[in-house]
Amino acid sequence: NAGVMQNPRHLVRRRGQEARLRCSPMKGHSHVYWYRQLPEEGLKFMVYLQKENIIDESGMPKERFSAEFPKEGPSILRIQQVVRGDSAAYFCASSPGTGAPDEQYFGPGTRLTVT
Amino acid sequence: KNEVEQSPQNLTAQEGEFITINCSYSVGISALHWLQQHPGGGIVSLFMLSSGKKKHGRLIATINIQEKHSSLHITASHPRDSAVYICVGGSQGNLIFGKGTKLSVKP
Repeated sequence: NAGVMQNPRHLVRRRGQEARLRCSPMKGHSHVYWYRQLPEEGLKFMVYLQKENIIDESGMPKERFSAEFPKEGPSILRIQQVVRGDSAAYFCASSPGTGAPDEQYFGPGTRLTVT
Repeated sequence: KNEVEQSPQNLTAQEGEFITINCSYSVGISALHWLQQHPGGGIVSLFMLSSGKKKHGRLIATINIQEKHSSLHITASHPRDSAVYICVGGSQGNLIFGKGTKLSVKP
């Protein structure tokens, strides 16, 4: 059973470009969480999604950031018009949605660098 | 004030030493995770526990629900154990992250 997959693992974007980060949850998992780790800081929650629904986006910046988890395919975290402050590691985690709600499995992360 | 506190923040040990990292939390949680973040940034989930004790190789995690405290132990430490260890409290699907303990094991 493959773990949580994220791609790309490293992404370089110039200021003003768009960044798309993908997360494929573990097989059978229907819940996805996105976290951001800024340089020298801890992980911070961004958004929690189920298939086709955003459950909690309280950690998402109000502008330029959006997330989706379509019925088919991976979850996408989209950052429009990136700025240098968006440079960070972005982690996603998935959970089965049944049983323990806190049973989250982490992906390896995408390291975004904005030049 | 962070609701999940770890100690120590930094820890340097000699190879072979027994290591303990502590985690205290002030909120009600239903599960506690220990994560390992490698120098390259990747995160590995080491344990998820809600009571008692779990062991995996040289790693042992314990939790005391009444005292709201968990410990991560590493026996016979090795330089490859050098990483940041993060304690995470889980409640109703929300995760509250500790700031991490940076462990450096010298040969």
